[in-house]
Amino acid sequence: AQSVTQLDSQVPVFEEAPVELRCNYSSSVSVYLFWYVQYPNQGLQLLLKYLSGSTLVKGINGFEAEFNKSQTSFHLRKPSVHISDTAEYFCAVSAAGTASKLTFGTGTRLQVTL
Amino acid sequence: KAGVTQTPRYLIKTRGQQVTLSCSPISGHRSVSWYQQTPGQGLQFLFEYFSETQRNKGNFPGRFSGRQFSNSRSEMNVSTLELGDSALYLCASSLEGLTTEQFFGPGTRLTVL
Repeated sequence: AQSVTQLDSQVPVFEEAPVELRCNYSSSVSVYLFWYVQYPNQGLQLLLKYLSGSTLVKGINGFEAEFNKSQTSFHLRKPSVHISDTAEYFCAVSAAGTASKLTFGTGTRLQVTL
Repeated sequence: KAGVTQTPRYLIKTRGQQVTLSCSPISGHRSVSWYQQTPGQGLQFLFEYFSETQRNKGNFPGRFSGRQFSNSRSEMNVSTLELGDSALYLCASSLEGLTTEQFFGPGTRLTVL
């Protein structure tokens, strides 16, 4: 089985500042990793994914993440945030070859202020 | 291309009743998964259907069931509703569900009174 830990439940940041949302996972098998964003009263939108290959993954809206197998981490970063990035962010993991069965972290609320 | 659609968007039921939620995947997607989202338990995987067969199942009681039709549309059913079943139920579709990412619908907000 897989598990995900998002250490920060809330991250406040000023507009145009950089941000990092942390995600650590646990698994005895190879994994796929995902970051999703959820805006109020909406479903989840995929930001980026790691399936294999390059460990630096670039996604939509200027976000990127780096897969670190030795540290079992998949932290999400953005060099300059905007007010519109305020949302809940979820890290998710699946066993490789089972992308349809996701285990989610508890989420990180990113609050961007002026 | 149209996204994943879920109906109804909001639903209010009373304890003991049963409910059926519907999900229409993105055209061409054959895998449909269901998740429950609550403030206390977060996002939890319910089950996945592929080609009308349940391929994966989460740790939910038998009151939660689902099915998939030949056009890949899926329904989930919850019988004998409990207060704790109040949640946002999210459906996600994927091309084949093994190596392809999932796209989520807006969810059905179920309130059990």
